[in-house]
Amino acid sequence: DGGITQSPKYLFRKEGQNVTLSCEQNLNHDAMYWYRQDPGQGLRLIYYSQIVNDFQKGDIAEGYSVSREKKESFPLTVTSAQKNPTAFYLCASSYGQGYAAGNTIYFGEGSWLTVV
Amino acid sequence: GIQVEQSPPDLILQEGANSTLRCNFSDSVNNLQWFHQNPWGQLINLFYIPSGTKQNGRLSATTVATERYSLLYISSSQTTDSGVYFCAGEIYNFNKFYFGSGTKLNVKP
Repeated sequence: DGGITQSPKYLFRKEGQNVTLSCEQNLNHDAMYWYRQDPGQGLRLIYYSQIVNDFQKGDIAEGYSVSREKKESFPLTVTSAQKNPTAFYLCASSYGQGYAAGNTIYFGEGSWLTVV
Repeated sequence: GIQVEQSPPDLILQEGANSTLRCNFSDSVNNLQWFHQNPWGQLINLFYIPSGTKQNGRLSATTVATERYSLLYISSSQTTDSGVYFCAGEIYNFNKFYFGSGTKLNVKP
């Protein structure tokens, strides 16, 4: 089935550790995104990528890093520099700007990250 | 970035009631969409509605792009409609989607 797969679903991080969240899509989408959601809040954009080997910072990129070496994959690393990383992380993808049928964004099931 | 304002922030309905959720944008956006977030956090696409009106069963949506707002109508609400509803729009040529803070809906039996 086509879709967006995030792993792990639940992750616990110790203080000072880096952790990487995986995001894979088989929808043949060019654009991929990472959002952070805090309890009771909306979604805030961390990073986005419009094409392989290119990505841009979103509104809250500090303390995070990404790579886009393959079209299907857009992993997010939460570094020790991110002081308050406990949140729900959502990966998404879309065809990108200029797609004739419109640029609809689709989401994975999310990853819960907790600092212990 | 742009500001996306959703109203009301919280809504409690009795099963069978109708409701209207509103989304206002501070600037022009493309590719406006509505989502339902279920209790497990999954975001489900409801409508892709850059302009005009669409209907899907008990749900319908209307976007007036020139006035920068969109409405989501829920008729004959059911307990399974509970959750958080988000709207999102994309800034033209930036490929960035901005989300509102959501409307939390609780439908009681």
